[in-house]
Amino acid sequence: DGGITQSPKYLFRKEGQNVTLSCEQNLNHDAMYWYRQDPGQGLRLIYYSHIVNDFQKGDIAEGYSVSREKKESFPLTVTSAQKNPTAFYLCASTNRGRGETQYFGPGTRLLVL
Amino acid sequence: AQSVTQLGSHVSVSEGALVLLRCNYSSSVPPYLFWYVQYPNQGLQLLLKYTTGATLVKGINGFEAEFKKSETSFHLTKPSAHMSDAAEYFCAVSEGYNQGGKLIFGQGTELSVKP
Repeated sequence: DGGITQSPKYLFRKEGQNVTLSCEQNLNHDAMYWYRQDPGQGLRLIYYSHIVNDFQKGDIAEGYSVSREKKESFPLTVTSAQKNPTAFYLCASTNRGRGETQYFGPGTRLLVL
Repeated sequence: AQSVTQLGSHVSVSEGALVLLRCNYSSSVPPYLFWYVQYPNQGLQLLLKYTTGATLVKGINGFEAEFKKSETSFHLTKPSAHMSDAAEYFCAVSEGYNQGGKLIFGQGTELSVKP
């Protein structure tokens, strides 16, 4: 079955710690995206990538970093510089072309200890 | 810049009643519009989308939406609500792929269905 997987489902971060969220897709999509969801604010774009070894900042990239070493993988690191990391993080992917559907993973909920 | 406004953060209907969730957008280019549904602690699932062609779009689970350019609206409707429709609904507009291809989301509307 094709789809997007995210792990872990829940993640706990201690003060000053970096944590990495995993996103894998087997849809053979070129583009991948990371969104952050906070209650009452919709989804906001953190980073996106259209091709391996290239990625671009979204609207709220500060305190986050990404890599795209393989087409199917786009991990997100929440660094200690992100002072308010508690949120639901969603990964998405799509083919090239405007109007193409973005498919979403099940999400990772990040909580601060 | 593109933007999306969803009127009403919370809508409550009775089972069997009409569901109407409102979405207005602003876009400097012909918009591509989407409705997604999210159940608690899950990812987003596409309900329907408008790209070109017929302005009345039918989606999954009996939902449909009509693109009205003159009103810059893309409201979501379902003739008869079911308990399983209780979820959060997001309207989104797509930027061009050369601009990142990202989706611009509204704030979401939580739909409650009363028995």
